[in-house]
Amino acid sequence: DSGVTQTPKHLITATGQRVTLRCSPRSGDLSVYWYQQSLDQGLQFLIQYYNGEERAKGNILERFSAQQFPDLHSELNLSSLELGDSALYFCASSVRTDTEAFFGQGTRLTVV
Amino acid sequence: DQQVKQNSPSLSVQEGRISILNCDYTNSMFDYFLWYKKYPAEGPTFLISISSIKDKNEDGRFTVFLNKSAKHLSLHIVPSQPGDSAVYFCAASPMIIQGAQKLVFGQGTRLTINP
Repeated sequence: DSGVTQTPKHLITATGQRVTLRCSPRSGDLSVYWYQQSLDQGLQFLIQYYNGEERAKGNILERFSAQQFPDLHSELNLSSLELGDSALYFCASSVRTDTEAFFGQGTRLTVV
Repeated sequence: DQQVKQNSPSLSVQEGRISILNCDYTNSMFDYFLWYKKYPAEGPTFLISISSIKDKNEDGRFTVFLNKSAKHLSLHIVPSQPGDSAVYFCAASPMIIQGAQKLVFGQGTRLTINP
């Protein structure tokens, strides 16, 4: 158990809908990262927050957004969902930005 | 353009022997490298890391070697155990500027340890 908690574990939704994925980082970790793992693209970095502020952005679609709250938990919002958004979404956290990130178990999103 | 490449999709090693997993990268801006292990239906588990100022880092049975001139990274596991069977990912991050860490992952190598 990495100490990073993601909910829900599984999510099935229809095209065009909006979903919110939630992440609680390890106790004491200030940095939160979101990654997407799809069959054809592998693990891809989406976005990083540090103590509530956005620090880095990867190949995150405009339909996706994220935020980190004062209690350090983070949410990833996915809207206008398409079939191609079906993937595993991982959250990770680290104490600082130059230390290893620990990953949660992931949320499997299926868009039908 | 794949900046981090793991050219062997799979590797099979006998229990007790050494497992060597390889990784090549193309971006000279990468200066922080990590290895993760992943079981099905679980998130990646951190194994070991190395920064570009070192060429070797050891933690128990795991040793990571970095050859900056060749842009090559390798993970040695010795002795290999059945529980090491998993998919191993190499990851790299560009220089950490303004507190940003953006891991770029390889495609993974499936390691199977045979009894």
